[in-house]
Amino acid sequence: KQEVTQIPAALSVPEGENLVLNCSFTDSAIYNLQWFRQDPGKGLTSLLLIQSSQREQTSGRLNASLDKSSGRSTLYIAASQPGDSATYLCAVDGDKLIFGTGTRLQVFP
Amino acid sequence: GAVVSQHPSRVICKSGTSVKIECRSLDFQATTMFWYRQFPKKSLMLMATSNEGSKATYEQGVEKDKFLINHASLTLSTLTVTSAHPEDSSFYICSARRQLNTGELFFGEGSRLTVL
Repeated sequence: KQEVTQIPAALSVPEGENLVLNCSFTDSAIYNLQWFRQDPGKGLTSLLLIQSSQREQTSGRLNASLDKSSGRSTLYIAASQPGDSATYLCAVDGDKLIFGTGTRLQVFP
Repeated sequence: GAVVSQHPSRVICKSGTSVKIECRSLDFQATTMFWYRQFPKKSLMLMATSNEGSKATYEQGVEKDKFLINHASLTLSTLTVTSAHPEDSSFYICSARRQLNTGELFFGEGSRLTVL
């Protein structure tokens, strides 16, 4: 059974810092991995999708890497801003999309 | 980009009533849709996988007689919470897969159910 864990569970940083969010999964037989953002009480916003054959994806200040063999993915946020404050979820897709435990990020001015 | 519409976004009902939540893929055909449930400050928990034209596959611990899922067309899946109780109050989110297996998943905005 796939288990997805995210570290840290919560993070509070001042504006401008570069951040790394971690995601680990137990079953490497996946099609892809996605990173999402969720604002309080809201739905999900897809940030990045990494196919199993890829090692990383970039979008603006976001960079996500995937090491399938070790069961790890990282989301790198450069020059964090208060607007980045949200919960970040990784999700592993191997027939079913299984979500991680989430990282609650707060960026203060 | 692909759009998934979920309706209603908020619903309040009395205990014992049934509530239906719709999930529609607006600009693509979705052979598979997934239903998730989210408790406050928790991650999303997969409830069931809905395949068009066949019975849904439920995750362990999810009561299929309580959470009825119908996927009658390639663009619509419905989740019906039957005989709702306060403990069913939660945030329900659907997602639709655009292509088989490796296709990206797109999510609805979610439906917040409050059972009084």
